[in-house]
Amino acid sequence: DSGVTQTPKHLITATGQRVTLRCSPRSGDLSVYWYQQSLDQGLQFLIQYYNGEERAKGNILERFSAQQFPDLHSELNLSSLELGDSALYFCASSVGDQPYEQYFGPGTRLTVT
Amino acid sequence: AQSVSQHNHHVILSEAASLELGCNYSYGGTVNLFWYVQYPGQHLQLLLKYFSGDPLVKGIKGFEAEFIKSKFSFNLRKPSVQWSDTAEYFCAVNPLRGQNFVFGPGTRLSVLP
Repeated sequence: DSGVTQTPKHLITATGQRVTLRCSPRSGDLSVYWYQQSLDQGLQFLIQYYNGEERAKGNILERFSAQQFPDLHSELNLSSLELGDSALYFCASSVGDQPYEQYFGPGTRLTVT
Repeated sequence: AQSVSQHNHHVILSEAASLELGCNYSYGGTVNLFWYVQYPGQHLQLLLKYFSGDPLVKGIKGFEAEFIKSKFSFNLRKPSVQWSDTAEYFCAVNPLRGQNFVFGPGTRLSVLP
């Protein structure tokens, strides 16, 4: 157990819908990172938040957005869902603003039908 | 754009065989290098990391990796694999001046008992 929690574990939804994935970092970690893992794209960095502020952006679509709340948990919002958004979404956390040692959560499996 | 390649998609070995998984990256500046492992049904875990200093890095579970700067490589090795090493292995690169964390496509290792 890494100490990073993600909910829900599984999510099945239809195209065009909007979903919210939640992540709670390890106690004391200020950074949260979001990744998407799919069969065709592999593991891709989406976005990082550090202490409530966006710190880095990767291959995140405009339909996706994230935020980090004062209690440091983070939410990833995915809207206008497409079949190709079906993937495993991981969150990771680290102490500082550099991803030197990230701890990954168990992931949320999103299936878009 | 920076990228990380892993030489093999799927490696099959018998127990006690030696393992070497290749990883090459395309980034000219200074980087931090990582190997992560994902056991079946589990989250990603850090195996080892290289920041600077001795290019031979030892990690958990008997794994080690060697950074060869001239070859832009960071190969993972283990002298004698066990059935429990069956997993997917990801090489990752983090440029010092950037935040993006780039993962390789992964190598699936199957160890036959």
